[in-house]
Amino acid sequence: QQQVKQSPQSLIVQKGGISIINCAYENTAFDYFPWYQQFPGKGPALLIAIRPDVSEKKEGRFTISFNKSAKQFSLHIMDSQPGDSATYFCAAIRQVGGKLIFGQGTELSVKP
Amino acid sequence: KAGVTQTPRYLIKTRGQQVTLSCSPISGHRSVSWYQQTPGQGLQFLFEYFSETQRNKGNFPGRFSGRQFSNSRSEMNVSTLELGDSALYLCASSLEVAGYNEQFFGPGTRLTVL
Repeated sequence: QQQVKQSPQSLIVQKGGISIINCAYENTAFDYFPWYQQFPGKGPALLIAIRPDVSEKKEGRFTISFNKSAKQFSLHIMDSQPGDSATYFCAAIRQVGGKLIFGQGTELSVKP
Repeated sequence: KAGVTQTPRYLIKTRGQQVTLSCSPISGHRSVSWYQQTPGQGLQFLFEYFSETQRNKGNFPGRFSGRQFSNSRSEMNVSTLELGDSALYLCASSLEVAGYNEQFFGPGTRLTVL
């Protein structure tokens, strides 16, 4: 019940295309869903996050879509750029006494 | 404002040894969490400290321990190192105010056990 499942494991997108990464969770007690971006040799950096009372959140080229009934959420990167090439992690947390539960990560490569 | 800092950045140890890793949170942040990152298991929660008290613990053996000091700096210790402990150890701090406490990660300490 603590798992967060993420797909795909790797993704290759052409410059200017849309990158889509999907996550699913089981524990309905989770109430905050952040996405992290990690470059080689760096720690994960918070990209965007959403609460379950919102179905969509957009920040620049990054959008989270959230489907509470299906217990799924996804990250869309519009107009993908080579600089977006990184590993992306979805996560979930129950804020009261919470610990971040991470998906397995998606290695995104954006080709010029 | 300075980010989360971790020292050392790289460590090489041999099996059976012990190791201590250090984390300095963002100024004003009182919660510090530790995570282990490996290619096979991904990012896994180790433990979380708040006001010098361990508030949460993951599913790791007792060889993994930690503590937090009054200035919120934290250390984690791994005793009797095993080959499988080779990983990137990440520290994250959060402000801990009402609402959603975003966690900010440091660059990690890369531990290699030979």
